[in-house]
Amino acid sequence: AIQLTQSPSSLSASVGDRVTITCRASQGISSAVAWYQQKPGKAPKLLIYDASSLEGGVPSRFSGSGSGTDFTLSISSLQPEDCATYYCQQVHDYPLTFGGGTKVAIK
Amino acid sequence: EVQLVESGGGLVKPGGSLRLSCAASGFTFSPHSMEWVRQAPGKGLEWVSSISGSSTYTYYTDSVKGRFTISRDNAKNSLYLQMNSLRAEDTAVYYCARETDGRYWGQGTLVTVSS
Repeated sequence: AIQLTQSPSSLSASVGDRVTITCRASQGISSAVAWYQQKPGKAPKLLIYDASSLEGGVPSRFSGSGSGTDFTLSISSLQPEDCATYYCQQVHDYPLTFGGGTKVAIK
Repeated sequence: EVQLVESGGGLVKPGGSLRLSCAASGFTFSPHSMEWVRQAPGKGLEWVSSISGSSTYTYYTDSVKGRFTISRDNAKNSLYLQMNSLRAEDTAVYYCARETDGRYWGQGTLVTVSS
């Protein structure tokens, strides 16, 4: 199975800061990565698909990049409503797998 | 409006069985692959199982192979997960989602396996 290693596992940043989360795959997966945001007690929400395509309705401060084994989710200017846990997921091959998650908090 | 509504969760003893259902509405169900994803209390997301639109292909994570069965009824716009031989480690919120694009998820149903 393809393993996804997300880092950091948690971070604290100030409003307006740029935040970057990385996701490394154990083997090449082209651009078959999605990023999700999850708030407590809620279902995950799709932010990015195909590694860099922004889902409709998602604020443009979110962006994704990468291909092969290394992927990044960035938030250009952190907002209070961005406090959540973020997950990457590979959809290249079964079994599908998620990264361990990154919890983002406001400093 | 697209909706996915899970049901069938609850408390079950180890070794017991449970059948989860997911009712879909607001989109044409049959062409889309669907999946179950679970989340143990305080833990991350774990993909469990997927099924293709015509039910031709099914996939499972290793830990549930031989115990869980995914199925669908396109005439009823419904997805199912039959869970047998349940273990304590199966305790989680189970989400159904439209796997084709990951855009739509249900609200989840809690399965608790405990004596």
